Amino acid sequence: EAGVTQFPSHSVIEKGQTVTLRCDPISGHDNLYWYRRVMGKEIKFLLHFVKESKQDESGMPNNRFLAERTGGTYSTLKVQPAELEDSGVYFCASSLGGTSGAETQYFGPGTRLLVL
Amino acid sequence: DAKTTQPNSMESNEEEPVHLPCNHSTISGTDYIHWYRQLPSQGPEYVIHGLTSNVNNRMASLAIAEDRKSSTLILHRATLRDAAVYYCIRPRAGNMLTFGGGTRLMVKP
Repeated sequence: EAGVTQFPSHSVIEKGQTVTLRCDPISGHDNLYWYRRVMGKEIKFLLHFVKESKQDESGMPNNRFLAERTGGTYSTLKVQPAELEDSGVYFCASSLGGTSGAETQYFGPGTRLLVL
Repeated sequence: DAKTTQPNSMESNEEEPVHLPCNHSTISGTDYIHWYRQLPSQGPEYVIHGLTSNVNNRMASLAIAEDRKSSTLILHRATLRDAAVYYCIRPRAGNMLTFGGGTRLMVKP
């Protein structure tokens, strides 16, 4: 069974440009999460989808970030316009269903974003 | 508050057991304790989780104190591939994971 995949693995863009990150969760997983680690900081939650609905987007840093999950399958995270402080590693995770606290999240390898 | 407290780093010799401690003194009765680890240049990886009873799986064991205010992740025989940052986490609402600094485990050959 394929794990969580993320594309691209690396992205280098200039300040002011737009970047779109993609995450393909494990097939059948209703829950999809985005996290990120900026340089020198801890991994932070960004948002949570249940199927195609945003369940919690309290971690989104500002309105330059837009996440979508069309049809409840893959998800995209768009940063527009990108700023220097957006540089970091963006992780996607998925879990089967439910939010009782016992669910295991499966993480992708991350997208390393560098904004110059 | 889903805070947990872990030592910044620990060292172990290869082939020896490792006990990674975690304090979660404000835990509630329904909070699970999860452990994830992150190997270099990879995404976090699930290790184990539990609620009240001790748990075992192929990767590790989790010993949970009777009062649930602390737990210990046990790697029975550390290998070089176990060198990673280990995170003790109490999932928040929606199963959101709050990563702290974790414990960096160094394994010496």
